[in-house]
Amino acid sequence: QITLKESGPTLVKPTQTLTLTCTFSGFSLSTSGLGVGWIRQPPGKALEWLALIYWDDDKRYSPSLKSRLTITKDTSKNQVVLTMTNMDPVDTATYYCAHRTSGPLFDYWGQGILVTVSS
Amino acid sequence: QTVVTQEPSLTVSPGGTVTLTCASSTGAVASGSYPNWFQQKPGQAPRALIYSTSNKHSWTPARFSGSLLGGKAALTLSGVQPEDEAEYYCLLYFGSGWVFGGGTKLTVL
Repeated sequence: QITLKESGPTLVKPTQTLTLTCTFSGFSLSTSGLGVGWIRQPPGKALEWLALIYWDDDKRYSPSLKSRLTITKDTSKNQVVLTMTNMDPVDTATYYCAHRTSGPLFDYWGQGILVTVSS
Repeated sequence: QTVVTQEPSLTVSPGGTVTLTCASSTGAVASGSYPNWFQQKPGQAPRALIYSTSNKHSWTPARFSGSLLGGKAALTLSGVQPEDEAEYYCLLYFGSGWVFGGGTKLTVL
């Protein structure tokens, strides 16, 4: 059974760096073809893909946010970490992590974590 | 910046059939864009429905089907049920990454 759960601060101040952790079970990120991605959703708005890391440490970022994002993995801890620098109130959103296989994309999702950016 | 466009809203009667579409600002959507479809109900995380244009997950009801239609990705619901009322998002691959559509709010009325 694959599960994912996001954790991190729910409130950050403008200009601060956000660090979110996705802790998962039911699969290993050392398995060929697998990956974990991050997606966010501002309140009442659409989903936005942010970043994706693969089993072989290949990393992909949204072109519009690439300069602010870093994704890393800790295979031994079954965790993927996303950092986003220079947070702004427009970055207020629910942040999701999701499982990726070689076929289906984002077949399993975490419950999401609402991050509010406010002073 | 690549934009993926979906109908903002659609209404369908119970038992009816409806097709949602997903268009790309770069041109026709092809299988190489690996269209994915997700369903999201209020307060819930998205649920995957379709991947790689037309493949269903093990939990995807048979009434959902995916295809390419007139240069767009399409999601067709046949025999719509009240519980299908939700927001639906498509996701396309563009080489530099993935882009979600703006979502279609499907009302069953």
